[in-house]
Amino acid sequence: EIVLTQSPGTLSSSPGERATLSCRASQTISSSQLAWYQQKPGQAPRLLMYGASRRATGIPDRFSGSGSGTDFTLTISRLEPEDFAVYYCQQYGSSLLTFGGGTKVEIK
Amino acid sequence: QVQLQESGPGLVNPSETLSLTCTVSAYSFSSNYYWDWIRQPPGKGLEWIGNIYHSGSTYYNPSLKSRVTISLDTSKNQFSLKLSSVTAADTAVYYCARGTKWKVPSTYYYYYYLDVWGKGTTVTVSS
Repeated sequence: EIVLTQSPGTLSSSPGERATLSCRASQTISSSQLAWYQQKPGQAPRLLMYGASRRATGIPDRFSGSGSGTDFTLTISRLEPEDFAVYYCQQYGSSLLTFGGGTKVEIK
Repeated sequence: QVQLQESGPGLVNPSETLSLTCTVSAYSFSSNYYWDWIRQPPGKGLEWIGNIYHSGSTYYNPSLKSRVTISLDTSKNQFSLKLSSVTAADTAVYYCARGTKWKVPSTYYYYYYLDVWGKGTTVTVSS
């Protein structure tokens, strides 16, 4: 089973700042296998990125994803008030899905 | 646009079977999508439970496989989750979601992501 480790656990930032979230896989995966989700309190997760760097429909371009091998990054170029939430990475391999433990982006 | 809605008992007794249904509106099961169940214990992260393809093939999280059954009822546009022998550790918000899978051209890799989610339903296991 591929384990995804997200860091930091909590990121304290201010609106307008750049946020960089990390997702590390326990073994090499294809970038196609990596997706990112945003979850706000009391809501279902929302798909942000798939294939590591492809934005889902309707996702603003301040969100970008990158990475390969075992290390992947979600970057929010300029934090908007609505971006403060929890972010999860997810991988798909051998017909199974796993999620990372999440990174909470909170207002400093 | 496609919408998903979970339904089922909000309270289940320990050792009994949790049963949930996800109703899919504005969509037919005839196309190439997967239908997934995910759960989230209070204050914790997401855990994938399993999925079912429109053909009926199922895939389960190995840690839950012995207790999970996912089925499809295309006549009702529904898919269902059964989790047996529940304990307090199964208390969670349960989500259904649509899984989209497609092949990366010229490779043997696939994209897979959950692009439509239900709002979730809270299930508490307690006597």
